[in-house]
Amino acid sequence: GQQLNQSPQSMFIQEGEDVSMNCTSSSIFNTWLWYKQEPGEGPVLLIALYKAGELTSNGRLTAQFGITRKDSFLNISASIPSDVGIYFCAGPDGGATNKLIFGTGTLLAVQP
Amino acid sequence: ETGVTQTPRHLVMGMTNKKSLKCEQHLGHNAMYWYKQSAKKPLELMFVYSLEERVENNSVPSRFSPECPNSSHLFLHLHTLQPEDSALYLCASSQASSGDLNNEQFFGPGTRLTVL
Repeated sequence: GQQLNQSPQSMFIQEGEDVSMNCTSSSIFNTWLWYKQEPGEGPVLLIALYKAGELTSNGRLTAQFGITRKDSFLNISASIPSDVGIYFCAGPDGGATNKLIFGTGTLLAVQP
Repeated sequence: ETGVTQTPRHLVMGMTNKKSLKCEQHLGHNAMYWYKQSAKKPLELMFVYSLEERVENNSVPSRFSPECPNSSHLFLHLHTLQPEDSALYLCASSQASSGDLNNEQFFGPGTRLTVL
């Protein structure tokens, strides 16, 4: 079945640093979604991308829909301690109901 | 606050118990989902309801039984669970149109389930 691979698996950075993570697939996606999950909570939608090459920002977060449609990138600028969490990419599987499949996640830890 | 609530937030049960998880969405959506999240695994879709009809059952064991009485409420009935069923169970909702589930899903905070 389809799989979404995220890298890196984890990141440990200092406050103020910029962060970059990506998500890749062996098959084409028509939508990319980025979620953040904080400890003890459910995932929260950060950014949705619908068009190849699209670049979308949400505050300090910027995500891009790769031209090949097989990847997406999420960047966080000037990280702060509350950026801590697990970041997931997700995309519809293209099946009859187009349900979402999720990546393996990138754990981000920010040291003040 | 995402507009999706789940109760209870934590549940400990024995293997012979019967319990139910509840999810309620206040977003006016017409599709609801149950996911299982285990450590070091991607989110696993369990069930999908669209317009109160089950449209997806992702090979889930029969000891998990979903119920969707209306578009705002979703239940997951549990009976004779196993310790490996311990996980975070997440509910989500979205707006579906023409059978195509809207990809922007909104999640509840989850129920942390421990089976002893």
